[in-house]
Amino acid sequence: EVQLVESGGGLVKPGRSLRLSCTASGFTFGDYAMSWFRQAPGKGLEWVGFIRSKAYGGTTEYAASVKGRFTISRDDSKSIAYLQMNSLKTEDTAVYYCTRDDGYNTGFDYWGQGTLVTVSS
Amino acid sequence: DIQMTQSPSSLSASVGDRVTITCRASQGISNYLAWFQQKPGKAPKSLIYAASSLQSGVPSKFSGSGSGTDFTLTISSLQPEDFATYYCQQYNSYPPTFGGGTKVEIK
Repeated sequence: EVQLVESGGGLVKPGRSLRLSCTASGFTFGDYAMSWFRQAPGKGLEWVGFIRSKAYGGTTEYAASVKGRFTISRDDSKSIAYLQMNSLKTEDTAVYYCTRDDGYNTGFDYWGQGTLVTVSS
Repeated sequence: DIQMTQSPSSLSASVGDRVTITCRASQGISNYLAWFQQKPGKAPKSLIYAASSLQSGVPSKFSGSGSGTDFTLTISSLQPEDFATYYCQQYNSYPPTFGGGTKVEIK
């Protein structure tokens, strides 16, 4: 059974940093790209960024709203994807979800339960 | 970025009703369209990918159609567990973008 479990959320002050983790199981983690999405309270879904599999260079892409502040990485030996968030703003407050990214095959087919990040002074 | 427009934004329906939700893309996206269901406090769940293919384990009462710019999600016979918010999403090009959601409520 595919499972994705996010961790690392919490309350943080504006300008500070936070690192989220996404621990995967039930599939060959290294074969897949991984994406992060977020959902602000009461709002819709927003793509944050993704990291390709090592077979495709392990490169990353980001939404304009987080580019230069957020960094996605992966540790295939541990089946974990990370979202490093720096220079946090109040508008980054959201539930953050990691997803398995199967691209044009089946899209974003599995999602974690989410972790809440609150940016407030 | 590709804009996704869903309609209606909300609807009230009864158990057993047939429900249809539409989604329009601001430019052609071939069939790279997914539908998600989200219940309060829960993560989105993928229902349909490639406009009309059911994800594994999703019941056949859900169906999708369309190509290019216009798409529909149909629930053939609404059940109590189907009351939720539904989102369409294009993944033809980055960034993947979502419609604003359709909240399906009990009449």
